[in-house]
Amino acid sequence: GQQVMQIPQYQHVQEGEDFTTYCNSSTTLSNIQWYKQRPGGHPVFLIQLVKSGEVKKQKRLTFQFGEAKKNSSLHITATQTTDVGTYFCAVASGTYKYIFGTGTRLKVLA
Amino acid sequence: GAGVSQSPSNKVTEKGKDVELRCDPISGHTALYWYRQSLGQGLEFLIYFQGNSAPDKSGLPSDRFSAERTGGSVSTLTIQRTQQEDSAVYLCASSLGMFGYEQYFGPGTRLTVT
Repeated sequence: GQQVMQIPQYQHVQEGEDFTTYCNSSTTLSNIQWYKQRPGGHPVFLIQLVKSGEVKKQKRLTFQFGEAKKNSSLHITATQTTDVGTYFCAVASGTYKYIFGTGTRLKVLA
Repeated sequence: GAGVSQSPSNKVTEKGKDVELRCDPISGHTALYWYRQSLGQGLEFLIYFQGNSAPDKSGLPSDRFSAERTGGSVSTLTIQRTQQEDSAVYLCASSLGMFGYEQYFGPGTRLTVT
């Protein structure tokens, strides 16, 4: 079956450092979504990527969809303590199922 | 407008009891999803509804789990004869459609089976 892996599993950074998480699929994707889950909270939608090689930016966050549409990355520039949480990618699998990646838990040290 | 709501927010039950979890999606959202999240883990897809129909129930962990949706709105997830391994946060999400639409998540129901 389809597999979606995220790396790294955990990342601790000093405030002001950059952070990147990667999402890799075993199959070609039609689109990919990114969500953020704060500690104790529920996932919140960040963005959706559809086109091969697409790059989207939201303030300090940069999202990229690979040329082959099998991988994606989320990059945060100059992390802040408000960036703490777990970042998930999500992909549609088959017709009726969504698969969430394993998640990358980000800790920002002030 | 109102977001996705779930009830109860917390449920503690004894092993072997049945529990019912409720999800009220955002009005007008035809797609509804149930996920399970164990402590510190990712999201496990359980089931998807388009309207009142669940085309694929293979994501449900066992036959003790069932779900229904009525009136294209409220959904209930029922777990019969609960086991300790059922302890988790059950999250509901809704969206305007299945593919290509962002999912709006509710706050979840934390289920603890003792």
